[in-house]
Amino acid sequence: RKEVEQDPGPFNVPEGATVAFNCTYSNSASQSFFWYRQDCRKEPKLLMSVYSSGNEDGRFTAQLNRASQYISLLIRDSKLSDSATYLCVVNRRGSARQLTFGSGTQLTVLP
Amino acid sequence: GAVVSQHPSRVICKSGTSVKIECRSLDFQATTMFWYRQFPKQSLMLMATSNEGSKATYEQGVEKDKFLINHASLTLSTLTVTSAHPEDSSFYICSASRTSGGFAGELFFGEGSRLTVL
Repeated sequence: RKEVEQDPGPFNVPEGATVAFNCTYSNSASQSFFWYRQDCRKEPKLLMSVYSSGNEDGRFTAQLNRASQYISLLIRDSKLSDSATYLCVVNRRGSARQLTFGSGTQLTVLP
Repeated sequence: GAVVSQHPSRVICKSGTSVKIECRSLDFQATTMFWYRQFPKQSLMLMATSNEGSKATYEQGVEKDKFLINHASLTLSTLTVTSAHPEDSSFYICSASRTSGGFAGELFFGEGSRLTVL
């Protein structure tokens, strides 16, 4: 079983739609959780951290369910510029700064 | 904000040659840098953890004699792919942490180096 699993997509949605991505992780000892965004042929960039209480940043909402080892990202009112690959990321066992990346979920927002 | 720079961004080389990729933290000191590799449509895979002034720690399955890492200063780590083969063609990305411990979200990534071995 992969340490971090994501639905690869692709998700093709119209502008303005709401879209949700899910992710599961296998290491119950993981303490840090993130969503990164990666544009085609570019480096990944931190989108947001994910906290147990859930957190929101503008149109983006992240949720964490430790019991189910499940992370989600909700994008509301999607924009064309949201088209990218979204990577679910958790820290590795015993290391705060070594990260394990999911293979990503590809999103295309259509005009 | 913090910036991590990689060079070259793109390199094409012949099979059997060696290629060096540099990773620099431009406005902070990085005691630890990480090297990742990403094949098309796959996730980033950690190759090694580079510690300033000491030997790098390699992940299982990564040949340390093939992927030479040098972290001689607090702002520079280099990855040398020795005797490159076509299967080494990939996107190599470094990341650096501003702090010596704690919050993994403070990692900053370089722009990546796309290696093509002919």
